[in-house]
Amino acid sequence: EVQLMESGGGLIQPGGSLTLSCVASGFTFSTNAMSWVRQAPGKGLEWVSSITGSGTDTFYADSVRGRFTISRDNSKNTLYVQMNNLRAEDTAIYFCAKYTVMGDLDHWGQGSLVTVSS
Amino acid sequence: EVLLTQSPGILSLSLGETATLSCRASQSVSSNYLAWYHQIPGQAPRVLIYGASSRAAGIPDRFSGSGSGTDFTLTINRLEPEDVGVYYCQQYGNSVRTFGQGTKLEIK
Repeated sequence: EVQLMESGGGLIQPGGSLTLSCVASGFTFSTNAMSWVRQAPGKGLEWVSSITGSGTDTFYADSVRGRFTISRDNSKNTLYVQMNNLRAEDTAIYFCAKYTVMGDLDHWGQGSLVTVSS
Repeated sequence: EVLLTQSPGILSLSLGETATLSCRASQSVSSNYLAWYHQIPGQAPRVLIYGASSRAAGIPDRFSGSGSGTDFTLTINRLEPEDVGVYYCQQYGNSVRTFGQGTKLEIK
């Protein structure tokens, strides 16, 4: 059974930094691209970032490029996103999700809440 | 960036009716790489359709996707109570993926 478990969320002041982790199990982690998707309170889904299985290529939404860094450690079956210079508008539930070979997101974690507030 | 516009914003129908949800892209979606997701409040999204028209594993045939280029449709036949929630389209034909703003489906 595929499982994705996010951690690392919490309350952080504007301008601060936070790193989220997502531990994966139940599939061959290193062969699947992964993604972070967020959802602000009461709002829709926003794609944040993706990374290829090898970690060679990364992609970002304009809203986070230059502030967020996605990475992975295939030896630990873990996906990360380092978030710097956080803003109030970054407040959201952050989901990690697994890509299929077709490109859709077929498994999602339950999410980790990040609240940016003073 | 490919912008996706979903309509209607809210859809209110009765059990057994057919729901038709639209997703329009600001430019052609490469290789019709478009997916539909369903999200129930408090839960993670679940993929329904990928490649514009292929049902994901375990999705009943009441759900069907169609369309190409810039216009895509999700059709849900014989509405059931568990179909309530928000439906999102997403394009993955571009390295910068985008979601539509969602259509909320209510059962009268």
